This record gives sequence, C-alpha cells and structure tokens, in this order.
Amino acid sequence: EPEVTQTPSHQVTQMGQEVILRCVPISNHLYFYWYRQILGQKVEFLVSFYNNEISEKSEIFDDQFSVERPDGSNFTLKIRSTKLEDSAMYFCASSVGSHNNEQFFGPGTRLTVL
Amino acid sequence: AQSVTQLGSHVSVSEGALVLLRCNYSSSVPPYLFWYVQYPNQGLQLLLKYTTGATLVKGINGFEAEFKKSETSFHLTKPSAHMSDAAEYFCAVSLNRDDKIIFGKGTRLHILP
Repeated sequence: EPEVTQTPSHQVTQMGQEVILRCVPISNHLYFYWYRQILGQKVEFLVSFYNNEISEKSEIFDDQFSVERPDGSNFTLKIRSTKLEDSAMYFCASSVGSHNNEQFFGPGTRLTVL
Repeated sequence: AQSVTQLGSHVSVSEGALVLLRCNYSSSVPPYLFWYVQYPNQGLQLLLKYTTGATLVKGINGFEAEFKKSETSFHLTKPSAHMSDAAEYFCAVSLNRDDKIIFGKGTRLHILP
C-alpha cells in the first residue's frame, strides 16, 4: 500500500542552524501539506502546496520557513535559522485532490533544537 | 474561522466497555469532519470522515461517528473497547475538499484491564 515517507525520523540541531525536512508524498497525489505538533499540544497546520506554489500558509509559517518540490517526488520543508520553539514533530501529508479529501500523513520527523 | 473542541484530554474505559469521545466543531459553512488516531511514536491515521450524505459514518477498527448539525457535534464511539484502542484521538475539520485540516487538542484514550 502506498504511503508517505519522511526523513530523517529524528533531527537534532543547534539553534540558528538551517534544517531541511524531507518528505516523499504518494506518487499520484497533487496536494501537499506540512503540519507540526509541539510536544503535548495539538497538530497545527503550517502550509499547503499545489501546482508548485503555496496555496495557504498559517501565521506560524513566517519568513524562516520555506517549502519546495525540487523534483517529481520530494517535498521539503526548510527552516533557515532554527529557534528553540521550533522543536516539534513535523508531519508531511498528501492528498489526491479530487473527490476525496483524505490526507495521508507520514510518520513524522522529530526536530529537536538545542 | 473553524475550530474544534474535544471534551476531555484523557478518557479511561474498561476493556469491553463503550468508548465515547466527544467532539464539537465551529464552522461558518458545512464542514468536512474527521477523526484521526495516533498510536505512540507513529503518525496520524484516518479513522473515519464525514463529507456529505449519511450522518452516521463507520470507520476502521469498529469505530463510528455521527454528525449532528443541530448540536455541531461529531462524537466518536465504539461499542466495546479493546486494549489495542489505547491511543490519542484527534477530531478535525476542514472547509473544502483539499483545504487545511484544523485539529482539536486530542483525547488520550486509556483502556483498563
């Protein structure tokens, strides 16, 4: 069964460093999303991406964040200069984008900023 | 703006007992409603969803939920709890087919032997 994959599963970085979180969405999906979940809190929407551009972004998704689909399979989230409060689980999701709104979530990347 | 409220951050039920996890939503237009489950150290898995049509929705693992527009509720139930149901459950809402999903804060379900 096709699934969304994410790498790495766990990333530890120093404050101020750049990180890139990688996702491989399901191959025939057209809509892509990033969410994050700070420990003990709810899952929050960050950004949606369709047709090679951002469809919507939340107030969390400031200038420090960017997304890219560098090739036909990967979807990346970059944080330019990480802050302590960026420590969270980051989930990638994708959906077909037709009649079915089921977003398929990846297993997540746990980002720890020291 | 849409929002989701889940009553009870922790719910404990005995194995074999009824599971009831409460969810109320706020939306200016008819919403799409979801329940997701998150097992420890895993991602989010869709349990069930309501888009249109029948208001009683059946999902995986014996769970079901009923959309009640008059009560703005979408409570999740399962007639008989199993130890493997222990997990975190998130109610969620979106406005359009491919829109962002707004999650509730989650309810951790504990199953007592």
